[in-house]
Amino acid sequence: AQRVTQPEKLLSVFKGAPVELKCNYSYSGSPELFWYVQYSRQRLQLLLRHISRESIKGFTADLNKGETSFHLKKPFAQEEDSAMYYCALSKPGSQKLVFGQGTRLTINP
Amino acid sequence: DTGVSQDPRHKITKRGQNVTFRCDPISEHNRLYWYRQTLGQGPEFLTYFQNEAQLEKSRLLSDRFSAERPKGSFSTLEIQRTEQGDSAMYLCASSPVDRTTNYGYTFGSGTRLTVV
Repeated sequence: AQRVTQPEKLLSVFKGAPVELKCNYSYSGSPELFWYVQYSRQRLQLLLRHISRESIKGFTADLNKGETSFHLKKPFAQEEDSAMYYCALSKPGSQKLVFGQGTRLTINP
Repeated sequence: DTGVSQDPRHKITKRGQNVTFRCDPISEHNRLYWYRQTLGQGPEFLTYFQNEAQLEKSRLLSDRFSAERPKGSFSTLEIQRTEQGDSAMYLCASSPVDRTTNYGYTFGSGTRLTVV
């Protein structure tokens, strides 16, 4: 069965510092991986997909198959990055997403 | 089209009562999903539709839960004989159809159910 683990429930960094939100997964094949974000009083929204190899709002995420990880990174945190972040996985060709428990990121001024 | 709409936003019900939630997806999206989220957890998959066909159901979806999408547009999720453990945020999402990849979803704001 697929599983997504986000080991940090809470993460707090200062503005301008680098940010890394950890995501580890268990799946024997080649999954599709996503990061979703939920800002205060807003709906859950897609941040980025690994298949697109994109950078959104300065965030990037690299799939490391050897370590089965998909950590989200940003070199310089901004206060507006404070939000709840969820890592999610789907099997190729599947529409079902398996989510991690989420990490609450707080950026301190 | 303002995105995925869910109604109601909040529902408080007494244990044992039936409740029904509605979801209106983005009109061009053929796929519609229901998830449940409890406090401190990520969303958990319940079921999904492609057009009017319900293609997958989670084991979380007990006999008391039923979902429909009769005309391939809006969907309803009904919970019969509610229990306190049903208290959660019920999220609806939609996505376009693609045979080879998962584009990711557009979520609604959710319906928060409280069973007292």
